[in-house]
Amino acid sequence: SYELTQPPSVSVSPGQTATITCSGDALPKKYASWYQQKSGQVPVLVIYEDTKRPSGIPERFSGSSSGTVATLTISGAQVEDEADYYCYSTDSSGNQRVFGAGTKVTVL
Amino acid sequence: EGRLVESGGGQVKPGGSIRLSCAASGITFNIAWMNWVRQAPGKGLEWVGRIKSQTDGGTTDYAAPVKSRFIISRDDSQNTLYLQMNSLKTEDAAVYYCTTRLNTIFGVADFWGQGTLVTVSS
Repeated sequence: SYELTQPPSVSVSPGQTATITCSGDALPKKYASWYQQKSGQVPVLVIYEDTKRPSGIPERFSGSSSGTVATLTISGAQVEDEADYYCYSTDSSGNQRVFGAGTKVTVL
Repeated sequence: EGRLVESGGGQVKPGGSIRLSCAASGITFNIAWMNWVRQAPGKGLEWVGRIKSQTDGGTTDYAAPVKSRFIISRDDSQNTLYLQMNSLKTEDAAVYYCTTRLNTIFGVADFWGQGTLVTVSS
């Protein structure tokens, strides 16, 4: 079955840049989305279609994609950005959606 | 403002069945492609399956671990999504979310319910 690979954890100091990668064979042809999930809360969409930011999401969140790797960047990370982040995409057929295993971002 | 509300969770024995519901309001439900996503305690998000809108064929797709055991259906007249879960295993224990993403004049809108907990134990 199709898999998306993320690093388990990323640590960053406040104000610095956090970068989370997501690797998947179908990413050259399929969009990636990114979700933020804080402890005990419902996931929130922060990036969709590789690079687009939903209304209300701070500009410090940005996305990119190149080849088989999609990337979420948090520029000037804040303490409130501490959360688990999941990439989300589909296999080459478009019929199987999949989440990455998640990346725990620590800001300290 | 769109809202999704899941219900029907509870405790069930291994091998048993349970049906979850997701009531939608404030969205054009009949055009929405609806997903079920689950999250086991302390674990990551897992896509369970999806049903397309009736105008797009109403077809379903499932993740491999649940295929042939779970059935997703919808009642557009009631703005309700269902997940019939059969032959339940202990590893199916999770919070189950219904979710959808719609394009609006204001951009994309992504909706999640608060989730309903299913426990599987004897």
